[in-house]
Amino acid sequence: GAVVSQHPSWVICKSGTSVKIECRSLDFQATTMFWYRQFPKQSLMLMATSNEGSKATYEQGVEKDKFLINHASLTLSTLTVTSAHPEDSSFYICSARVRRVTDTQYFGPGTRLTVL
Amino acid sequence: KQEVTQIPAALSVPEGENLVLNCSFTDSAIYNLQWFRQDPGKGLTSLLLIQSSQREQTSGRLNASLDKSSGRSTLYIAASQPGDSATYLCAAQRGNTGKLIFGQGTTLQVKP
Repeated sequence: GAVVSQHPSWVICKSGTSVKIECRSLDFQATTMFWYRQFPKQSLMLMATSNEGSKATYEQGVEKDKFLINHASLTLSTLTVTSAHPEDSSFYICSARVRRVTDTQYFGPGTRLTVL
Repeated sequence: KQEVTQIPAALSVPEGENLVLNCSFTDSAIYNLQWFRQDPGKGLTSLLLIQSSQREQTSGRLNASLDKSSGRSTLYIAASQPGDSATYLCAAQRGNTGKLIFGQGTTLQVKP
């Protein structure tokens, strides 16, 4: 089956530092990946759409200079949280879109970010 | 603007019971509707996907229905097991963009 990995699975950093999270589709190519964030006991909120070889499209209210997204290849998208602050602490999940018989998204296991 | 709501927020049932989780959406012009399972601290596992032209999908003990006219979807779990304990999320896809709008989820606990 389609597998999506994320690295790291968890990270703790100091305020003001930048953190990069990787999302990889392991056994398929994904022209489109999505980044979500999830606060405790809340649902997933779409942050941005990442298309291979082009600029990411951000949802309303998401700072593009704060959350840098790069989709360098058909199997890798990265999310960099710049100048992280405690309010950026959250669970970040990526998904990769596969359009075959059905339009399906496969989700990564998530990355827990804690900013001190 | 599409809004997705799930009721109840939490549910506790004894093992073996059949149960129904509800999902409602405000904009009937959906591309598809999906049900996911999320275990604590983990990512999402896709359970069922219903295309906008379909009425239901089945996988093992799970059956999902879709009624676009009323803006509702249900996930039916038969003969529940403790291993079914998790949070269940429904998500409506916005057009052909792939963007998913999630409900808040229903946290299910199946007691042995």
